[in-house]
Amino acid sequence: DAKTTQPNSMESNEEEPVHLPCNHSTISGTDYIHWYRQLPSQGPEYVIHGLTSNVNNRMASLAIAEDRKSSTLILHRATLRDAAVYYCILRAPYTGNQFYFGTGTSLTVIP
Amino acid sequence: EAGVAQSPRYKIIEKRQSVAFWCNPISGHATLYWYQQILGQGPKLLIQFQNNGVVDDSQLPKDRFSAERLKGVDSTLKIQPAKLEDSAVYLCASSHKRESGLRTDTQYFGPGTRLTVL
Repeated sequence: DAKTTQPNSMESNEEEPVHLPCNHSTISGTDYIHWYRQLPSQGPEYVIHGLTSNVNNRMASLAIAEDRKSSTLILHRATLRDAAVYYCILRAPYTGNQFYFGTGTSLTVIP
Repeated sequence: EAGVAQSPRYKIIEKRQSVAFWCNPISGHATLYWYQQILGQGPKLLIQFQNNGVVDDSQLPKDRFSAERLKGVDSTLKIQPAKLEDSAVYLCASSHKRESGLRTDTQYFGPGTRLTVL
């Protein structure tokens, strides 16, 4: 599976938008881009995923670069409950369900 | 819908002792995973079951770790004997193969079991 690169940590002020970047320069044409987050003392939870087009759901938006070598998770209005480690994961659709988590980005939300 | 259940939530043992963790996946989910998460790292897949068959156990230290999923529902992960480096959170997750026609394979995680080996 292709690897991803994320900043170790980021900070955001409460109620402001947050842009969490992820680089995946070796992504293949069939790799899906998944984002999960892990709140303190909890298991990871699904946030959003996409293939080529930008995606929106109730939690966040996913902006995918045209060449697919990078993507950005957008939290439109950060709250204190969004403080978590965010993982960007690539997964090929036909090689099983293996998810390879990196170290992720630790997001701190400042009140 | 009930989530993935795990027990116990915490366990403290001494090295060379044995320990077992239990997982009950979301009803109807055919795929079950066990992950190990060491402090400061992302989860690492140990083993994946599809129903009661093993799909991938390439990262499972088979000399001391074992897992089973009888009847394709609940699963147990065992460590025997435990080492200091086994101190970690053990996460269980489950998923459908497909959801609503999309090959998303979203994984749903339990709260984990925090193991401390002294």
